[in-house]
Amino acid sequence: AQSVTQLGSHVSVSEGALVLLRCNYSSSVPPYLFWYVQYPNQGLQLLLKYTTGATLVKGINGFEAEFKKSETSFHLTKPSAHMSDAAEYFCAVSEGRTGNQFYFGTGTSLTVIP
Amino acid sequence: KAGVTQTPRYLIKTRGQQVTLSCSPISGHRSVSWYQQTPGQGLQFLFEYFSETQRNKGNFPGRFSGRQFSNSRSEMNVSTLELGDSALYLCASGSGTANTEAFFGQGTRLTVV
Repeated sequence: AQSVTQLGSHVSVSEGALVLLRCNYSSSVPPYLFWYVQYPNQGLQLLLKYTTGATLVKGINGFEAEFKKSETSFHLTKPSAHMSDAAEYFCAVSEGRTGNQFYFGTGTSLTVIP
Repeated sequence: KAGVTQTPRYLIKTRGQQVTLSCSPISGHRSVSWYQQTPGQGLQFLFEYFSETQRNKGNFPGRFSGRQFSNSRSEMNVSTLELGDSALYLCASGSGTANTEAFFGQGTRLTVV
């Protein structure tokens, strides 16, 4: 069975500070991992994804994530937070069989303090 | 390239009624998935359609149903609405290849009163 745990439902950082959003997964098969961002009253936008290959994945808006199999983690980072990064972030794992069934974490709300 | 279009954006319905939500995927995409988002339960998978066939299904009661048309547009229907069905319903469009990214619409906000 697949599951995703996001540690910290709310994270606050100062503008210009490092952003670190944590995600751990449980999967019985090699995982396919995704980070999505959701702005108020909007759908989800893909930030980045890990399927196979390089474990450090770069995404849009300066975000990146590292897949660590030994720690079953896929933490999202950004070196310097911008005010526009304030949003809800979701980590997701995809079922490893057919189709596009995602299991989402409960989300982390990021606040950026000026 | 147009994105995923969901209509309507907002709906208010009364308990016991039924509702139909619509989703037009990105051109060329044959997979459409539906998710329910609530503050208490987060994002939960409802079902996925691919080439007019339901391919995957989540753990929702039979009151939740869907279908997909030959042009890949999809509809989701909820019958006998309950207060707990109030949620943001998100549609996701994909190529249909397993484990590839999904592209989400802006959602339909359903309020049941």
